[in-house]
Amino acid sequence: NAGVTQTPKFRVLKTGQSMTLLCAQDMNHEYMYWYRQDPGMGLRLIHYSVGEGTTAKGEVPDGYNVSRLKKQNFLLGLESAAPSQTSVYFCASSYSWDRVDQETQYFGPGTRLLVL
Amino acid sequence: GQNIDQPTEMTATEGAIVQINCTYQTSGFNGLFWYQQHAGEAPTFLSYNVLDGLEEKGRFSSFLSRSKGYSYLLLKELQMKDSASYLCAVRDRRGGNKLTFGTGTQLKVEL
Repeated sequence: NAGVTQTPKFRVLKTGQSMTLLCAQDMNHEYMYWYRQDPGMGLRLIHYSVGEGTTAKGEVPDGYNVSRLKKQNFLLGLESAAPSQTSVYFCASSYSWDRVDQETQYFGPGTRLLVL
Repeated sequence: GQNIDQPTEMTATEGAIVQINCTYQTSGFNGLFWYQQHAGEAPTFLSYNVLDGLEEKGRFSSFLSRSKGYSYLLLKELQMKDSASYLCAVRDRRGGNKLTFGTGTQLKVEL
């Protein structure tokens, strides 16, 4: 099993450009998440999904959109990139929220995004 | 909202024991998780606590006191490879059981 994979690994954008980050998991997990990690801020939840076809806002959703058309994929879109969106983006997945032991989140390797 | 506090940095010696503390404030507490993150890598799961007490997993142990809003991660027989950031995360049933992460404690293990 590959676990959680993310593409691309690194990207440089100019202000105003758009891009989509792709997350894929092969563990048949229901729940998927997008986080951003900035120095001194820790991991902050952007959007999440509790199943195919569903999405919900997290702590810092502004400037981002997501889609979960297939259970195994979770896409994060930036419609008009801003320098404030320079960050490391992590995707994660978990089996469920029914029990704490099923809540363990498995993270992808991250995407480093630089917006100039 | 939630407030999670961890020390920013700690330094310890190879072979020693180190305790990383985490305090939190939430009215819907439903579990506390510890993750390890090496520089430039993804966080990986270490342990979780739901009930008060100590959970032991090899060289790593995690303790929880719900009444005090306090947890610690204990690392024994420190190795150089334990140099990493350790993230405390709280699960809150009011927030749909999502995790809120602390800012992490950067541990440096020295010879």
